[in-house]
Amino acid sequence: DTAVSQTPKYLVTQMGNDKSIKCEQNLGHDTMYWYKQDSKKFLKIMFSYNNKELIINETVPNRFSPKSPDKAHLNLHINSLELGDSAVYFCASSQDSMTVPYEQYFGPGTRLTVT
Amino acid sequence: SQQGEEDPQALSIQEGENATMNCSYKTSINNLQWYRQNSGRGLVHLILIRSNEREKHSGRLRVTLDTSKKSSSLLITASRAADTASYFCATDGISGSRLTFGEGTQLTVNP
Repeated sequence: DTAVSQTPKYLVTQMGNDKSIKCEQNLGHDTMYWYKQDSKKFLKIMFSYNNKELIINETVPNRFSPKSPDKAHLNLHINSLELGDSAVYFCASSQDSMTVPYEQYFGPGTRLTVT
Repeated sequence: SQQGEEDPQALSIQEGENATMNCSYKTSINNLQWYRQNSGRGLVHLILIRSNEREKHSGRLRVTLDTSKKSSSLLITASRAADTASYFCATDGISGSRLTFGEGTQLTVNP
């Protein structure tokens, strides 16, 4: 059983396009995250949702818009893609992050390449 | 600025040897976690150590935490080729619950 799944695994697109990445977790967790990992493997948090409510919104261009239709899903929509958006995007979830941090469970990642 | 920094950036050892990776951080923390990332995969949680703990074990893993020096180390004993991966420390600040990841150590275990 896949705990945290992301689709697609690979995404190749041209500059200026709009694309979405979907994430689902079947762990019953309350909190979900989006991370961006650059070519040097530096992992940086972008967004976090707790029970469908946005709780972390890092300094990310407003071309990136997360959407959480329910607490098991957190999607990431990116408008007007730029070359610098090329990276691996990871979705993660945890039991609760509002009070006590728990271990985070990561999806397999989506490798986005913008040409 | 980045919270965690791992040292060394890369480590290559022979199977059976021990591997030690270090992590330093800048601000006070509640907890420190270590994660492993195999090539092309997501991160996998290894161990969590709380700020009031000094040492923790899990199988072949031993983690130490020195809050006075703002540093942690991860020791993998009797390494195996399957331990080849990148290892990241992650810290959470007292004021918030977000995790901040370090740059990672790339460990290569040669058979």
